[in-house]
Amino acid sequence: GDSVTQMEGPVTLSEEAFLTINCTYTATGYPSLFWYVQYPGEGLQLLLKATKADDKGSNKGFEATYRKETTSFHLEKGSVQVSDSAVYFCALPLGLGAGGTSYGKLTFGQGTILTVHP
Amino acid sequence: DVKVTQSSRYLVKRTGEKVFLECVQDMDHENMFWYRQDPGLGLRLIYFSYDVKMKEKGDIPEGYSVSREKKERFSLILESASTNQTSMYLCASSNSPGTPNEQFFGPGTRLTVL
Repeated sequence: GDSVTQMEGPVTLSEEAFLTINCTYTATGYPSLFWYVQYPGEGLQLLLKATKADDKGSNKGFEATYRKETTSFHLEKGSVQVSDSAVYFCALPLGLGAGGTSYGKLTFGQGTILTVHP
Repeated sequence: DVKVTQSSRYLVKRTGEKVFLECVQDMDHENMFWYRQDPGLGLRLIYFSYDVKMKEKGDIPEGYSVSREKKERFSLILESASTNQTSMYLCASSNSPGTPNEQFFGPGTRLTVL
């Protein structure tokens, strides 16, 4: 079935370091791909998305490129800040169900905890 | 601004109690979801609803039920709370015909069952 696999965490970095969080997926066809972020004490919010192969999603200095050759959607940021400390989730829409629709369901990776120190 | 609200941020209940978690969205979305979030397990789907009075089981429905009497409100019910239901519960909504499957989340309810 459709699934995403995230790199195991947690990740601890110093401020201004380069960040990569790996995400690979298994899916039928070429679905949209998402990165969500969860700041401490809050729900998830969409960070960025890509809707087709070779698309690059970007937001708040984060980027991720949809690569169908490697079935990957790795999250990167050139210079992290303390305020980027959060949990990051890769997500993928589930395929069509028996009724012919996915009803908007997503499957999420297990999440990667990022801690950035000053 | 789009908004999903949950009735409580923190809740403490006793084993065997009936627990109601309420979620309201103001975006006229068709789909609503309940997840639980546990360390190392990510988000797991409990139930979802794609229309008023319609519901489908997710990956871990045991011990839970749901109700959707109005489009904007989706309730999660723990009929008889147990300690293994101590968790963070997140509600989300989405609109199928809109931006592909983007879900909007509430702030979460941290439930402790003693």
